Amino acid sequence: AQSVTQPDIHITVSEGASLELRCNYSYGATPYLFWYVQSPGQGLQLLLKYFSGDTLVQGIKGFEAEFKRSQSSFNLRKPSVHWSDAAEYFCAVGVSGGSYIPTFGRGTSLIVHP
Amino acid sequence: DARVTQTPRHKVTEMGQEVTMRCQPILGHNTVFWYRQTMMQGLELLAYFRNRAPLDDSGMPKDRFSAEMPDATLATLKIQPSEPRDSAVYFCASGLVAPDHFGDGTRLSIL
Repeated sequence: AQSVTQPDIHITVSEGASLELRCNYSYGATPYLFWYVQSPGQGLQLLLKYFSGDTLVQGIKGFEAEFKRSQSSFNLRKPSVHWSDAAEYFCAVGVSGGSYIPTFGRGTSLIVHP
Repeated sequence: DARVTQTPRHKVTEMGQEVTMRCQPILGHNTVFWYRQTMMQGLELLAYFRNRAPLDDSGMPKDRFSAEMPDATLATLKIQPSEPRDSAVYFCASGLVAPDHFGDGTRLSIL
């Protein structure tokens, strides 16, 4: 079965600094990969997804992620963080073969200092 | 903006009572998901439907949970009888193949 590891439980950055959130997956074939963001008291919002093609994926809110098969990673990046980016971020992996159903990591909490 | 609508947003009830949670997926989305979120387990898939047909409900305790889609605009998740360990936030999501849009959840507390 597929699994996702988000090694960092919390990440603290200063506003305006760059951001990279790590995600590693375990799956034997080409996975489907997702990043979601969750603000307190709200549901998850899809930031971006990778199904195939270009390994650098652009998402909403200025986020991007890069699929690296050799490292089994799908790290999320943003060049300049805004205070409103403070939230919980979830990486998820889905299996190929038609199901697309993501299994979620445990999340990384992003704290933004002014 | 199209939204997934969940009702109720909050529910507090006593152990043993029936709980029904409702979800209105985004019009045109043919896949509907139910997830549960707790601090201990994180996000767990309970069930999902495609074109209103249940495809996987292996994540649900079968003896007390049931999920249905009576029509394309309504998905329901029922718990009967409810237990304190069912306390969690329950999310509905919809999409064309994967969960693209989540509702804001039903926060369920079983006393």
